[in-house]
Amino acid sequence: DVKVTQSSRYLVKRTGEKVFLECVQDMDHENMFWYRQDPGLGLRLIYFSYDVKMKEKGDIPEGYSVSREKKERFSLILESASTNQTSMYLCASSLPTGRSPLHFGNGTRLTVT
Amino acid sequence: GNSVTQMEGPVTLSEEAFLTINCTYTATGYPSLFWYVQYPGEGLQLLLKATKADDKGSNKGFEATYRKETTSFHLEKGSVQVSDSAVYFCALSFTGGGNKLTFGTGTQLKVEL
Repeated sequence: DVKVTQSSRYLVKRTGEKVFLECVQDMDHENMFWYRQDPGLGLRLIYFSYDVKMKEKGDIPEGYSVSREKKERFSLILESASTNQTSMYLCASSLPTGRSPLHFGNGTRLTVT
Repeated sequence: GNSVTQMEGPVTLSEEAFLTINCTYTATGYPSLFWYVQYPGEGLQLLLKATKADDKGSNKGFEATYRKETTSFHLEKGSVQVSDSAVYFCALSFTGGGNKLTFGTGTQLKVEL
């Protein structure tokens, strides 16, 4: 079974802090994703990576950056956390072939105070 | 742009009742369509998919048919169980789009005894 592991289940940070959310997958998937989940808004794509060191902005990249130095690891960075970034963050991975399913981690609930 | 619209929840049903969760989409072209399910405290997992018009996806007693003429992909189950209580997300993607999914807002299902 594909396993996507997010390093923290819950995280509390202060406004202005630099925050790192880590995600590791064990199935050698080329594609990795960061989504944000908010009530009433569903999931929105923040960033997407289709290969090591390759990234593409999603629908809501403002205030975020990403890093993919190794194929199995995809990090989401909040350069200066703000309260409107309080949310559930979901990492996912998939094969590059069309219509391959996404495999999700269990999420990191981030609270910025 | 592409979008997915789902019926609002929560949907509350008695065990063994019939379930329908409506999903319609707006897209240029012919996307692949998916239903994902999120159980409490977990990430999303693929429930079923359909990749072309008139395809029927099915899994665990759930079914959905890709209707091009009505741009719909409604989720149905003949007899729900308490264990089906979860949030259900409808989503679409395009081949060549890197498997990036556009999600609906999600519909919470509660099944009671």
